[in-house]
Amino acid sequence: EEQLVESGGNLVQPGGSLRLSCAASGFTFRNYWMSWVRQAPGKGLEWVAIINDDGGKKYYLDSVKGRFTISRDNAKSSLHLQMDSLRVEDTAVYYCGREEYGGPDYWGQGTLVTVSS
Amino acid sequence: DVVMTQSPLSLPVTLGQPASISCKSSQSLVHSGGNTYLSWFQQRPGQSPRRLIYKVSNRDSGVPDRFSGSGSGTDFTLKISRVETEDVGFYYCLQGTHWPKTFGQGTKVEIK
Repeated sequence: EEQLVESGGNLVQPGGSLRLSCAASGFTFRNYWMSWVRQAPGKGLEWVAIINDDGGKKYYLDSVKGRFTISRDNAKSSLHLQMDSLRVEDTAVYYCGREEYGGPDYWGQGTLVTVSS
Repeated sequence: DVVMTQSPLSLPVTLGQPASISCKSSQSLVHSGGNTYLSWFQQRPGQSPRRLIYKVSNRDSGVPDRFSGSGSGTDFTLKISRVETEDVGFYYCLQGTHWPKTFGQGTKVEIK
């Protein structure tokens, strides 16, 4: 059974850093593009970043470009999101997703990132 | 960026009756390869999103056949043939043709 489990969310001060992780199981991780999607409290979904199957291609939402870095470790079936220079507006639940046919077909349970002083 | 506009934003429905949600994009979603990457997602209260439909009209595994997707170009629709209690929640469209990917604002479906 396909499963994605996020971790690493926490309370952090503005300007701080966090590293999110997503552990994948139940499918051949190295064959799939993977993405991060976030949801601010009480708001809708916002696509954040995506990485191709071998890690050679990465695309970002403009507002996180230069601050967030998506990466993956295919040997460990894990996806990461390094978040630097965090802002209050980055506060959200962050979901990882397995990409298929233009969108995530499997989602994790999410991890909460709170940016506040 | 491609703007995805959903309507209505709130949809009260009677159990057993049909429901329809519209999603319009600011640009054509036809990819250079010929596919149209428009998906629909359901998010029940307190849960992660779940994909229902991909490439406009293809149902994901395990999705009841009362859910259907249609449309082309810039104009898309999600239909629920007979609304059930478990269908309550938010519904989002997503375009995956252009970078960055963009979601619609969401439509809240509730029982009258």
